[in-house]
Amino acid sequence: EVQLVESGGRLAQPGQSLRLSCAASGFKLRDFWMSWVRQGPGKGLEWVAEINDDGKEKYYVDSVKGRFTVSRDNANNLVFLQMTSLRVEDTAVYFCVRDPAWGAFDVWGRGTMVAVSA
Amino acid sequence: DVVMTQSPLSLPVTLGQPASISCRSSQSLVHSGGNTYLTWFQQRPGQSPRRLLYEVSHRDSGVPDRFSGSGSGTDFTLRISRVEAEDVAIYYCMQGTHSKTFGQGTKLELQ
Repeated sequence: EVQLVESGGRLAQPGQSLRLSCAASGFKLRDFWMSWVRQGPGKGLEWVAEINDDGKEKYYVDSVKGRFTVSRDNANNLVFLQMTSLRVEDTAVYFCVRDPAWGAFDVWGRGTMVAVSA
Repeated sequence: DVVMTQSPLSLPVTLGQPASISCRSSQSLVHSGGNTYLTWFQQRPGQSPRRLLYEVSHRDSGVPDRFSGSGSGTDFTLRISRVEAEDVAIYYCMQGTHSKTFGQGTKLELQ
């Protein structure tokens, strides 16, 4: 079964760091671009970051540039989102998604909750 | 940056009746290679989003054929021919031609 399972979300204070992980199974991770998408409480979806299949290309939404870093470990079927200098507005459920081509996100994880509060 | 504008944001529908959601982009979504990367997602209450249609009109396997997508350039539409109870959800369009941008979402509810 094709599956993505996120972990690492928790309550953090403003300015702190968190690392989210996404474990992929049921497919060859190295064949796909991967993205992170977030959804604030009661809000819509926002694309956050993406990484190409070999990890050499990375792109971010403006609001997280310089604070978040996406990476991957194809050998161990893992994708990561390193989040630093967290802000209250980063509070959201973070979804790991598979991108077969140009944003056609076809597999979504169940998400991991990040809450940033003093 | 490309802005995606959906309308309406709330859509009350009677069971068995059709429904239509508009999605407009601030720039053409036609890629230099000729394809148009516009995707529709459905998010049921308490669930992760699910892809319904990609490249405007290609329906995913398992998606009922009452769902269809159309449009070109900057103007796109998701249609449900006859709404069923399981269609209650929030629907999002997303463009993948110029980075990635989601629409605000349209909440479909039963009247």
